[in-house]
Amino acid sequence: QLVLTQSPSASASLGASVKLTCTLSSGHSSYAIAWHQQQPQKGPRYLMKVNSDGSHSKGDGIPDRFSGSSSGTERYLTISSLQSEDEADYYCQTWGTVFGGGTKLTVL
Amino acid sequence: QITLKESGPTLVKPTQTLTLTCTFSGFSLSTSGVGVAWIRQPPGKALEWLALIYWDDDKRYSPSLKSRLTITKDTSKNQVVLTMTNMDPVDTATYYCAHSNPNNGVTWGQGILVTVSS
Repeated sequence: QLVLTQSPSASASLGASVKLTCTLSSGHSSYAIAWHQQQPQKGPRYLMKVNSDGSHSKGDGIPDRFSGSSSGTERYLTISSLQSEDEADYYCQTWGTVFGGGTKLTVL
Repeated sequence: QITLKESGPTLVKPTQTLTLTCTFSGFSLSTSGVGVAWIRQPPGKALEWLALIYWDDDKRYSPSLKSRLTITKDTSKNQVVLTMTNMDPVDTATYYCAHSNPNNGVTWGQGILVTVSS
């Protein structure tokens, strides 16, 4: 069964960079995933699609500070030059279906 | 511009069946590769995928809820309907629909809060 695993929380300083990880269960290393952001009291927002080869394609209006990459069963979301509005929950999702448990990002 | 909007009852009683409609514009659900999914989020909790229907009528369901869910589409009306039977207070959540296209990404609806209470 396909499972996506995310760390429950992460933190980084204003202006710094952070790399969030989504781990696919064994045997699913070819799967593409989507990253979504959910700011407090708001609905989710699509950020990007990350393919197994590390390529990624971002949604409309997503800043260049957001990027994606991949290694084996791990999919990454890197946010550089952290801003206060990046404090949010971040979810990975296999394309169209299962979600990870989400990572709550705190900007210090 | 792709938009989706969820509609349906905001209050249902335990044991009742919930029927939600996702009405969309800006894309066709007969276009190859396109899908529309339903997702929910209980207050203060994580997103949970429920069901997905593809342009070719292929349907996928969350294994844990499969026995209670039915997803259908009406391409002519630009609508996707989700029914969930035997509602319980633990099903209280904001329910979202979302469009997915491998080439264009994902677009979310605004969500509808459904409360299950007698």
